[in-house]
Order: sequence, then structure tokens, then C-alpha cells
Amino acid sequence: EAQVTQNPRYLITVTGKKLTVTCSQNMNHEYMSWYRQDPGLGLRQIYYSMNVEVTDKGDVPEGYKVSRKEKRNFPLILESPSPNQTSLYFCASSSMVADTQYFGPGTRLTVL
Amino acid sequence: GEDVEQSLFLSVREGDSSVINCTYTDSSSTYLYWYKQEPGAGLQLLTYIFSNMDMKQDQRLTVLLNKKDKHLSLRIADTQTGDSAIYFCAEISSASKIIFGSGTRLSIRP
Repeated sequence: EAQVTQNPRYLITVTGKKLTVTCSQNMNHEYMSWYRQDPGLGLRQIYYSMNVEVTDKGDVPEGYKVSRKEKRNFPLILESPSPNQTSLYFCASSSMVADTQYFGPGTRLTVL
Repeated sequence: GEDVEQSLFLSVREGDSSVINCTYTDSSSTYLYWYKQEPGAGLQLLTYIFSNMDMKQDQRLTVLLNKKDKHLSLRIADTQTGDSAIYFCAEISSASKIIFGSGTRLSIRP
């Protein structure tokens, strides 16, 4: 089944404790991206990747890192999480930027 | 910078038509999209339109694009309870970034 998976689905952590949210797709897509969803603000793109080893900042990259060492995986790293990073995070992939985005189920992160 | 704007809420009576509006700023956008998000789920593509089209119809859905005014709308005919969701308008910016609107929450009243 074609899908985008994210782990964990729910996470509660404390300020400053490094965490990684994994994202994996099995559709051989080249384009992958991370979004955060906040009430009234919609989805804002954090980082995107056009292909392996190619990543670019989206609209709200501060406080986040990503890597794209292999095509299927695109982890989101928070080196020192802060409470303003409490949000719902979505990973998405597509064969190219203009194609349909396939979204993962979301990761709800709470930073205390 | 690029921006996509939508109203936050819309309430319609079951069986009526729903019209969700969106304005965008990047005139070079080649594709414009409507995504649907049901409660507790990720987004799913509902429909899209090429920038060289004025209208696209797909069953109960009609997308209208006014490129001069940078205005996009989604009409859902015969709105049903299953249409309750958040609807996001999105465009691809010239920098290959995808810009989403804030989402319009559609609620259906009996």
C-alpha cells in the first residue's frame, strides 16, 4: 500500500531535549516536505527536499533541521525544542513539486 | 512574500451549495490546489486546476479561477454531512515551495 508514515504519532517532551520525528514513504517520490499546522495559521512549510542530499528552507525553518540521506526517509530534527514548537506536524511526499502531495497521519508534539 | 488567504469558517445547510474562496499572491503559480482535511487525519488532494484554465468540474465539485484577480473558489454542490472538514487552498510558488492557506472549516447544519 502506497503510504507516508510518521513516528511517533504523539510525543510529549521537555524544553531542550533533542528529538527526531521520522518520515518514510514507499512511493519512490523525489519531493518531500515537512509542515506544521497551528490553529488559524493553516499549514506552514518548514523544510523541503527536491531529492537526495538536496534540502531547502520553507517558511518557518528556525529551530528545525532535516536530512535526506536516502530517497525514502526525511527525518525532522529538533535539536533544542521549545514550547513554541508545540504543534501538529505533517510530512508529505510527491513525485515532483507540482504533483499531488501525499500526507502522513501527523505527529502531535507537545513541548513543556 | 507569497501568501494565500481564506476565511476561517463557513456554515451551510445540508443540500445547499458551499462556496469556499481563496486569494493568492504569486502570479507565476502554474497549479492551484484544494485539499481536504477530515478530523484527526492528514490532508488529501480534492482537486486542482492549471493556471491556464478558468474552470474545472469534477462531479459535485467546481473550481473557478480568476487569474486577473488571483482568486480561486471551490463550489461543492448538494453539500452533505460527509463534506464537513477543513478545506485548504494551496499554490506552488516560483521558489518551488508549496504555500497553503489557513484553511476554511466547513460545517453542515441540518
